[in-house]
Amino acid sequence: DQQVKQNSPSLSVQEGRISILNCDYTNSMFDYFLWYKKYPAEGPTFLISISSIKDKNEDGRFTVFLNKSAKHLSLHIVPSQPGDSAVYFCAASVSTGNQFYFGTGTSLTVIP
Amino acid sequence: DAGVTQSPTHLIKTRGQQVTLRCSPKSGHDTVSWYQQALGQGPQFIFQYYEEEERQRGNFPDRFSGHQFPNYSSELNVNALLLGDSALYLCASSFGTYQETQYFGPGTRLLVL
Repeated sequence: DQQVKQNSPSLSVQEGRISILNCDYTNSMFDYFLWYKKYPAEGPTFLISISSIKDKNEDGRFTVFLNKSAKHLSLHIVPSQPGDSAVYFCAASVSTGNQFYFGTGTSLTVIP
Repeated sequence: DAGVTQSPTHLIKTRGQQVTLRCSPKSGHDTVSWYQQALGQGPQFIFQYYEEEERQRGNFPDRFSGHQFPNYSSELNVNALLLGDSALYLCASSFGTYQETQYFGPGTRLLVL
């Protein structure tokens, strides 16, 4: 049972525009969420996180929004750069110390 | 700092065989987690080791076992390989359970024929 879903397998965006990556979850007990970025032949790297006590967390060009009532989170990248082209995974857990459940990933292509 | 290293990078086995994958954590990290990433899927948590003991386990059968050594390095063993075990196996290390500090290795690509 896929508890974390990324329904868009791919996304293409022009350089300088906003990229919005979406993630939905089914388990209402999830209270900690991460986004990871993965380049080919490399392991995922941590990008940004958010806990359920917040609805927004910002780090430079990256902002994560959490809508608990809709069980939905999104990652905004502004402005998008060609180096942002990668696969993005969202992950969720029940508290920070427990196992994470990953989505299937969204492949982002930023077109120069 | 070499980061998280995994060996081998690629492996081909046949059904029924056994395989051992190895992971060296990032310097200063004491916790190792293993994930299986099937093609087109996200990583799935297998188990986590801390202080040489399995601390958490995901929904994987007993054919999947592991070990952590005193130097914090770890092994993942899979017995009686099935075709469905073909995947990328990722190792991640962290200090304690703080997931934000979790660093992933490049993975071992296992193909079971």
